[in-house]
Amino acid sequence: GESVGLHLPTLSVQEGDNSIINCAYSNSASDYFIWYKQESGKGPQFIIDIRSNMDKRQGQRVTVLLNKTVKHLSLQIAATQPGDSAVYFCAENMTGGFKTIFGAGTRLFVKA
Amino acid sequence: EAQVTQNPRYLITVTGKKLTVTCSQNMNHEYMSWYRQDPGLGLRQIYYSMNVEVTDKGDVPEGYKVSRKEKRNFPLILESPSPNQTSLYFCASSFQGVNTGELFFGEGSRLTVL
Repeated sequence: GESVGLHLPTLSVQEGDNSIINCAYSNSASDYFIWYKQESGKGPQFIIDIRSNMDKRQGQRVTVLLNKTVKHLSLQIAATQPGDSAVYFCAENMTGGFKTIFGAGTRLFVKA
Repeated sequence: EAQVTQNPRYLITVTGKKLTVTCSQNMNHEYMSWYRQDPGLGLRQIYYSMNVEVTDKGDVPEGYKVSRKEKRNFPLILESPSPNQTSLYFCASSFQGVNTGELFFGEGSRLTVL
């Protein structure tokens, strides 16, 4: 069936290093992808999005890459900080649909 | 401040006792949705609403009801809660639909059904 998943459930990085969080999706018809960050005790918050007509989009310290050939999405965080510690979700939106399908999440630990 | 507000934030109840989790947004968003979050399963959609008086089932609607009588409010109703509805619930809203932009989430409501 259609699913959005993450390659690693947890990721531990040293403060100041770059982080890469990966995501696989299975529906080639999806045309809008979003990364959300969820801190402990809070709801998910939008980080960055990308549409299927793009391969790369940059924000402040974050970059999302989309590889439609292998149905892969990644989130890169530059110079990771302790405040980046959270669970990160990739999300997939279906063409013409009104539902967002979320992956299970990756927990990012930042070591000082 | 733009926000999605859920109440209660925490609730412990017993099987069969009807409860309602309220959700209100002050951003004049048309689209609202309810999700439940369970370990290892991510966020799963329960119900969503495209606008007032327009609601539709998500992926896991069984045991839940919703209503959208006003644009700002989207309550989640558990008519007869069961232990398998123990979960963390999130309400979310967006301007038009999920394809047009980000979802704004509430802080979550942790429900325990004994």
